[in-house]
Amino acid sequence: SQKIEQNSEALNIQEGKTATLTCNYTNYSPAYLQWYRQDPGRGPVFLLLIRENEKEKRKERLKVTFDTTLKQSLFHITASQPADSATYLCALVRLNDMRFGAGTRLTVKP
Amino acid sequence: GAGVSQSPSNKVTEKGKDVELRCDPISGHTALYWYRQSLGQGLEFLIYFQGNSAPDKSGLPSDRFSAERTGGSVSTLTIQRTQQEDSAVYLCASSLALRTRNTEAFFGQGTRLTVV
Repeated sequence: SQKIEQNSEALNIQEGKTATLTCNYTNYSPAYLQWYRQDPGRGPVFLLLIRENEKEKRKERLKVTFDTTLKQSLFHITASQPADSATYLCALVRLNDMRFGAGTRLTVKP
Repeated sequence: GAGVSQSPSNKVTEKGKDVELRCDPISGHTALYWYRQSLGQGLEFLIYFQGNSAPDKSGLPSDRFSAERTGGSVSTLTIQRTQQEDSAVYLCASSLALRTRNTEAFFGQGTRLTVV
């Protein structure tokens, strides 16, 4: 069966460091992959999208990589800030099928 | 409206009662999704609507769950004979068809359902 795994339920880092979150999947061939941010009591908000034929995508302090051989995406936040503290979800999309990982809760300490 | 709207924002119901959750998607969005999120968990896919096509109901956990989308816009998720394990946040999302490969999903704030 399809499986989407995100590394560790929680990740704590110091302000200014780079946060790296992992999304691994099995038994799935996504056309593209998305990352979302979710704050407590709110719905997820879209951050970045990367297609199957792209290796890397950047947006301001965010960087996403996508390795379809390893079946893995890495999500980086550089120069992290306490305001980056939230849960980050990866979503795999094929045609109109969109499935989410369980998320990683990131805490950036000042 | 400006975004995806869900109502009610909170719903407390007694075990065995039926509930209806409503989702107003962004105007013009043809795709609509329902997900369920239990405390501290990820998003569990429930059902997907795309235009006038038959919905993908593969995620509905039991026949107590059903959903419809009228006129390609507003959607209602109905849970019959609610059980305590149905307690969760129910999230709705809409998008232009994701198959276009350059779109994102927009989520509502969710409906927090508590079955007592």
